[in-house]
Amino acid sequence: DTEVTQTPKHLVMGMTNKKSLKCEQHMGHRAMYWYKQKAKKPPELMFVYSYEKLSINESVPSRFSPECPNSSLLNLHLHALQPEDSALYLCASSQGTGTYYGYTFGSGTRLTVV
Amino acid sequence: SQQGEEDPQALSIQEGENATMNCSYKTSINNLQWYRQNSGRGLVHLILIRSNEREKHSGRLRVTLDTSKKSSSLLITASRAADTASYFCAMYPPMNDYKLSFGAGTTVTVRA
Repeated sequence: DTEVTQTPKHLVMGMTNKKSLKCEQHMGHRAMYWYKQKAKKPPELMFVYSYEKLSINESVPSRFSPECPNSSLLNLHLHALQPEDSALYLCASSQGTGTYYGYTFGSGTRLTVV
Repeated sequence: SQQGEEDPQALSIQEGENATMNCSYKTSINNLQWYRQNSGRGLVHLILIRSNEREKHSGRLRVTLDTSKKSSSLLITASRAADTASYFCAMYPPMNDYKLSFGAGTTVTVRA
């Protein structure tokens, strides 16, 4: 299995809703990432998990809450989002952190906040 | 923060032609990576070139790296309609092995 699977593919939520994005990989990768991508812009790093521990939080607002239940799963819990949070949310994984590894990306969750 | 700057921002070519895009960066790097993103989808890793390498090939892709000029180029030869996508260079900031940052990207359109 050489894939990163993200669910759901599309999500529309109201500003008072609570929802979660899910990401799964079975490649034995020990680093997992959340990126946010606005239209016609490059992906921007949000969180890095290394060996199931949060290594980097790029000053992301607390309405985004990551969770790594095990080495294969990564969640992003969403609460009280704003319309400007509408974007493509990408999960990625790599064999480890460090400069020797390329990333495997999922297809993303397109989030619309109304 | 964005580390790489790419040019051109957009490129339109005829099927069968070659496409070249460039990435310039400001600080020293250990490696530089190139990714492709088809419209609205996830990114696909194309090539990783290390700082001690000057050129690398993968199928119809050729990547060069000039560390003295702090620049890299991606050449797609004999382009196909399926090569229509955005292409991003990516690298790590100095002393930071966790934060892979992407350039602004080049949008390539291959006309049939």
